[in-house]
Amino acid sequence: DAKTTQPNSMESNEEEPVHLPCNHSTISGTDYIHWYRQLPSQGPEYVIHGLTSNVNNRMASLAIAEDRKSSTLILHRATLRDAAVYYCILLSGGGADGLTFGKGTHLIIQP
Amino acid sequence: DAGVIQSPRHEVTEMGQEVTLRCKPISGHNSLFWYRQTMMRGLELLIYFNNNVPIDDSGMPEDRFSAKMPNASFSTLKIQPSEPRDSAVYFCASSFQSGVGQPQHFGDGTRLSIL
Repeated sequence: DAKTTQPNSMESNEEEPVHLPCNHSTISGTDYIHWYRQLPSQGPEYVIHGLTSNVNNRMASLAIAEDRKSSTLILHRATLRDAAVYYCILLSGGGADGLTFGKGTHLIIQP
Repeated sequence: DAGVIQSPRHEVTEMGQEVTLRCKPISGHNSLFWYRQTMMRGLELLIYFNNNVPIDDSGMPEDRFSAKMPNASFSTLKIQPSEPRDSAVYFCASSFQSGVGQPQHFGDGTRLSIL
């Protein structure tokens, strides 16, 4: 399975944008890039996913490099409630597979 | 709308006892997943079902673990006999698979402690 690499932790200030990077140099042409996050004491929560084009939703934006070997999750204005572990996961186009979670990035938001 | 519902939220039991975890997926979803989370191993996929049929159980750690999905609205994960190393948070997730990588929706988990 294609792997992803993320920084162990990142720190940001409240109300500032946050850019969370993910490297996936062995991504295949049919792999979708998914992002989930896990808030303390909760189950993982879907954030966003994309294939080739940049994606936006109410929670975040996903910027995908032209060669698809990396991507960036963008939180436009972080709040304290965005403090969580963020996971970047590759999922094949069929989608009917379980998720393979890495260690993710622990995002710390300073007030 | 009701999300994925798991019960119990917490379970404490003695080694050797049978443990049954329950999950009600979101209505209309056709895929169901069981995950386990520990500090040492992180989040791991145990098993998943499509249309009530087990597809991949390669993540089930041992024969002591079994999972069933008798209908589209209910699934169980059973551990018999339980051991202290089974202590973890167990998550159930569901999704509607339409071939384009639909998101999975997770329950709040069952925190299991085996003494």
